[in-house]
Amino acid sequence: DQQVKQNSPSLSVQEGRISILNCDYTNSMFDYFLWYKKYPAEGPTFLISISSIKDKNEDGRFTVFLNKSAKHLSLHIVPSQPGDSAVYFCAVYGGSQGNLIFGKGTKLSVKP
Amino acid sequence: GAGVSQSPSNKVTEKGKDVELRCDPISGHTALYWYRQRLGQGLEFLIYFQGNSAPDKSGLPSDRFSAERTGESVSTLTIQRTQQEDSAVYLCASSPQGVSNTGELFFGEGSRLTVL
Repeated sequence: DQQVKQNSPSLSVQEGRISILNCDYTNSMFDYFLWYKKYPAEGPTFLISISSIKDKNEDGRFTVFLNKSAKHLSLHIVPSQPGDSAVYFCAVYGGSQGNLIFGKGTKLSVKP
Repeated sequence: GAGVSQSPSNKVTEKGKDVELRCDPISGHTALYWYRQRLGQGLEFLIYFQGNSAPDKSGLPSDRFSAERTGESVSTLTIQRTQQEDSAVYLCASSPQGVSNTGELFFGEGSRLTVL
């Protein structure tokens, strides 16, 4: 039973426009919510995170929004750039677990 | 080293053989994780080491899988009697003290295992 769901396996966006990646989770006990980015043949790299006590965290072109009542997390990238093309993983942490739980990922393609 | 180092980067083996995958974490990182990513899937947690505590083995898929860590350094993941469904990229990650409040884990580039 998936605790973290990324229902869109892929997303295509024009350069300069906004990319919105979505993630749903099942357990209201999670404390932290994260986004990782992965290029082919490389390990995932941390992008941005948000604590459960906040509803928004911004870092440059990247903003993460948390809607706890809906158990929904989203990542906004604006403006999108071709170099943003990668697989984005949503991850959660907290409760009794010491590890991150990842979603299946969304492949973002930003077209010039 | 500057980052998490994994070896081999690629391994092709025959069904039924044993394989060992190695991870060198970032120096000083007390926490070490193994994940795997099968084709078209997300990152699946396998095992977690934190300092001298007993490892969290709750993600290991079968008793054919085991992992060891020497102190706070190198870790090896061993898969015995490999099966085709073990084919995946095995990713190692480390962090200074488990998952901090930023949640940042530092991943290696992975070891791609192909079982024929």
